[in-house]
Amino acid sequence: DAKTTQPTSMDCAEGRAANLPCNHSTISGNEYVYWYRQIHSQGPQYIIHGLKNNETNEMASLIITEDRKSSTLILPHATLRDTAVYYCIPGAYSGGGADGLTFGKGTHLIIQP
Amino acid sequence: DVKVTQSSRYLVKRTGEKVFLECVQDMDHENMFWYRQDPGLGLRLIYFSYDVKMKEKGDIPEGYSVSREKKERFSLILESASTNQTSMYLCASRPLAGGSYEQYFGPGTRLTVT
Repeated sequence: DAKTTQPTSMDCAEGRAANLPCNHSTISGNEYVYWYRQIHSQGPQYIIHGLKNNETNEMASLIITEDRKSSTLILPHATLRDTAVYYCIPGAYSGGGADGLTFGKGTHLIIQP
Repeated sequence: DVKVTQSSRYLVKRTGEKVFLECVQDMDHENMFWYRQDPGLGLRLIYFSYDVKMKEKGDIPEGYSVSREKKERFSLILESASTNQTSMYLCASRPLAGGSYEQYFGPGTRLTVT
């Protein structure tokens, strides 16, 4: 499994875009990049995932570099409710297996009013 | 809305007690998981199940067992609770089809063993 490096914590002003980086230089060709977040006292919540192309959904955008060694999660207009720990997780679907995700320590994003 | 529920948000048990943590999902998902989460260690996989009556060990299965008698329910059992099993326990599920690792998590059970 690929290892990831994320900043321990980040601050962002409310209403601004929050850009969360992740290095995954050992990611293999069939591994997606998944992003989850965990708000205090809640279970993790899926945000977005991608393989090669940039992706966007109603929650966020995911930018993956061409060499796939790093990615950035973008929350376009951060609100106080986006304060959470954000996890970047490479993972490959094993086509029928039920492997769990390997959560690292993530980035604690604090949105400042 | 997809839903994973866990039987208790908070639980306090004594050392040596048998503890059952229940998880129910209403999405007809084949795969279910149990994790524990501890400060500084992140989430660690205890057990998972890919079908009724099937189970696989995760990274830290020692001291735990599981039961999956029905598709929607996955139970985590601490046969004889110990203080080092004080933790946040999280259940998750995901469908077999779709080729995705999108897991749906429950709210968690904070277990304290005294």
